[in-house]
Amino acid sequence: DTGVSQNPRHKITKRGQNVTFRCDPISEHNRLYWYRQTLGQGPEFLTYFQNEAQLEKSRLLSDRFSAERPKGSFSTLEIQRTEQGDSAMYLCASAGGNTIYFGEGSWLTVV
Amino acid sequence: DQQVKQNSPSLSVQEGRISILNCDYTNSMFDYFLWYKKYPAEGPTFLISISSIKDKNEDGRFTVFLNKSAKHLSLHIVPSQPGDSAVYFCAASDNYGQNFVFGPGTRLSVLP
Repeated sequence: DTGVSQNPRHKITKRGQNVTFRCDPISEHNRLYWYRQTLGQGPEFLTYFQNEAQLEKSRLLSDRFSAERPKGSFSTLEIQRTEQGDSAMYLCASAGGNTIYFGEGSWLTVV
Repeated sequence: DQQVKQNSPSLSVQEGRISILNCDYTNSMFDYFLWYKKYPAEGPTFLISISSIKDKNEDGRFTVFLNKSAKHLSLHIVPSQPGDSAVYFCAASDNYGQNFVFGPGTRLSVLP
């Protein structure tokens, strides 16, 4: 399978814990995106990498959120001190041209 | 302020008929537009796109129309099939492709 891969697919965590999601993009794509989606809403942009450089961050991305793409390949999104409002689907996408392709998402439930 | 709007939260059509999903945008810098389909608990799947230099793009049962002066695009699905039942998202990007902005989605139900 050469699509965008995300793991874990589901994560249930207690409030205040840290969680980390991993994304493996399509191998030839140099751009990688993180989005968040809640019920009834469209995907909301969080951050964007071109190779290893993080070029844009949304104001939605509080200081509890950090994303890395250390070698320009896979990326991680870490949420520290999780809150119930962080419960959502976290989507990773990659692009080589004008179209972005999404992974299957990582569901986060904070209890 | 939503830059990409899908004003119909839901749409129901009979199998075999045409489904028309609408999308409006406000940012005149957008010049590339995409439609995605999403099933529950899955990531969005790319369907079809259109550049602002065109007014129509067709792929099988799916056709996207762009009216740049009205900042409006639509997705036509004909004939509609029960497997088309999903949430459809419209998205837009600028020339640099740094950010893709999504609408809130329209839930399509195709009734057998």
